[in-house]
Amino acid sequence: AQTVTQSQPEMSVQEAETVTLSCTYDTSENNYYLFWYKQPPSRQMILVIRQEAYKQQNATENRFSVNFQKAAKSFSLKISDSQLGDTAMYFCAFDGGSNYKLTFGKGTLLTVNP
Amino acid sequence: DSGVTQTPKHLITATGQRVTLRCSPRSGDLSVYWYQQSLDQGLQFLIQYYNGEERAKGNILERFSAQQFPDLHSELNLSSLELGDSALYFCASSSRTGDNYGYTFGSGTRLTVV
Repeated sequence: AQTVTQSQPEMSVQEAETVTLSCTYDTSENNYYLFWYKQPPSRQMILVIRQEAYKQQNATENRFSVNFQKAAKSFSLKISDSQLGDTAMYFCAFDGGSNYKLTFGKGTLLTVNP
Repeated sequence: DSGVTQTPKHLITATGQRVTLRCSPRSGDLSVYWYQQSLDQGLQFLIQYYNGEERAKGNILERFSAQQFPDLHSELNLSSLELGDSALYFCASSSRTGDNYGYTFGSGTRLTVV
């Protein structure tokens, strides 16, 4: 069974600084997708970024980028120029294609301080 | 608006009662997933439907059941409710093709059992 591990329950960063959230996963699949979702205090689940395992290039979306290390089964999220609105719970998630579901880590609570 | 509609947004009910949560997927998506998020836990996968058929089942209690109708909307039925069933219930729909591969979440139904 696939598992997703987020080892940092909480993190904080100063506004305008850069922060990296860690995620590791375990799978025997070769083709899969990885996601980072953001859950602000409104509790809405918002897709931040997506990575396809067969693509070598790391995904980027504006201030958000990932460091995908397939051999190490690592998928970290880097947030540049942190903003107060980035304060949220961040979930790493895995989709193994044939697994027919999204498996989530336990989340990292990120606080951006002014 | 994510395109996934969940009703009701809030529900307060007594122990032992039965409730029905409703989800309309994003237009064109055939898959619907149900997740439970308790206060001290991450997102737990309950069940998935694809085009009316059950495709995958997680740790869903026997008191819970779901179905997907011909118009693709889905309902999650929770019966003999207990205090521990209080949680945020999310529905998600997915597009599993090409560049649109991903999961879109509704805003959730917050269930409080008193």
